[in-house]
Amino acid sequence: QKEVEQNSGPLSVPEGAIASLNCTYSDRVSQSFFWYRQYSGKSPELIMSIYSNGDKEDGRFTAQLNKASQYVSLLIRDSQPSDSATYLCAVNFRAGNNRKLIWGLGTSLAVNP
Amino acid sequence: GAGVSQSPSNKVTEKGKDVELRCDPISGHTALYWYRQSLGQGLEFLIYFQGNSAPDKSGLPSDRFSAERTGGSVSTLTIQRTQQEDSAVYLCASSLGGELERLAGGPRGTDTQYFGPGTRLTVL
Repeated sequence: QKEVEQNSGPLSVPEGAIASLNCTYSDRVSQSFFWYRQYSGKSPELIMSIYSNGDKEDGRFTAQLNKASQYVSLLIRDSQPSDSATYLCAVNFRAGNNRKLIWGLGTSLAVNP
Repeated sequence: GAGVSQSPSNKVTEKGKDVELRCDPISGHTALYWYRQSLGQGLEFLIYFQGNSAPDKSGLPSDRFSAERTGGSVSTLTIQRTQQEDSAVYLCASSLGGELERLAGGPRGTDTQYFGPGTRLTVL
């Protein structure tokens, strides 16, 4: 059973702090990893994609991938109230030409002013 | 450029009626996905189209659900004899797709999915 697991939260952090979101997955041959943000009542939007082990930084966001330990995380530095949303982790489990992503249930983040 | 569009944005229907939901993917994207999201829940995969290949229908919850994609572009999700439990937001997403991935030598953005705004379906 291919699975992607996230802590549902809610994760509550004060404004200006670092928010750390974690995701573990069950399949060792996954190649593509994504973090999406979903505001209440809106559709998911891409925050970061990562394909190689290590860190990838984009502004206040850093994605960290460790394939050996099968986890991917998202760090949000200098958290803002506007970062309050549900963060979805998605993993591409390769199966031939199938490019179907497996989605976690999401972690709810609340940034308190 | 234009993103993924969906119509209608809202649909209210009576139990037992058929509904059609439309998705127009990003131009040039060969892969198209339909998801369902009930209130406060995660994304539920429904169906996936990749180019001219047979669609992956493994997520369709019953035979009342069907989808087609004409000309490799626009897709229609049809729900027959709607039930109250069908009430949800139906999301469509598209990605560049597998053909370009082979040319690129691996996934480097070709499997990134971009979502439309969704259709909120309410079955009374």
